[in-house]
Amino acid sequence: AQSVTQPDIHITVSEGASLELRCNYSYGATPYLFWYVQSPGQGLQLLLKYFSGDTLVQGIKGFEAEFKRSQSSFNLRKPSVHWSDAAEYFCAVEDSGAGSYQLTFGKGTKLSVIP
Amino acid sequence: NAGVTQTPKFQVLKTGQSMTLQCAQDMNHEYMSWYRQDPGMGLRLIHYSVGAGITDQGEVPNGYNVSRSTTEDFPLRLLSAAPSQTSVYFCATKPLAGRTYNEQFFGPGTRLTVL
Repeated sequence: AQSVTQPDIHITVSEGASLELRCNYSYGATPYLFWYVQSPGQGLQLLLKYFSGDTLVQGIKGFEAEFKRSQSSFNLRKPSVHWSDAAEYFCAVEDSGAGSYQLTFGKGTKLSVIP
Repeated sequence: NAGVTQTPKFQVLKTGQSMTLQCAQDMNHEYMSWYRQDPGMGLRLIHYSVGAGITDQGEVPNGYNVSRSTTEDFPLRLLSAAPSQTSVYFCATKPLAGRTYNEQFFGPGTRLTVL
């Protein structure tokens, strides 16, 4: 069964500092990987996605992520964090082979930003 | 183009009551699904549908029923609500025809409390 691990439950960074959120996945085939962001009381917004090709993917709001097959990782990065980036971030892998298209999510990393 | 809409936004039920959570989309996506989000658990798939007239169970289907009579609507029914069903419910859609690689689009969510 597929799984996603986000080792950091809560991260605090200063505004303007760089950010890296970790994500490790377990999936038997080529993974379809996603990062979503959720602000308090809101729905999920897609930040970026990886299906194939270039392993460094660019997303919205200045985020990027790098797919590393050898490490089963898909870490999210941003060079300079803004106060508005404070939210919860979810990494997910889609089961593209079984017909359910089930997204398996990590438990999330809550990001706090110090002004 | 409203995307994915969910009603109601908030609902409080008593144990044993029934209700239907509505999900509608205007993007003509074949795939629709329901997730529940619980603190520290990420999101888990309840039921999904790959087209009108076709539904299947996800990871946590017990206590929930679905039907898909049209492409646009995918209601989730709680026949006899239990406190364990207190959660935030998200509907998601995804196009299946055409391009192979497509992300899922989430609605704004319904926050349900069962007393």
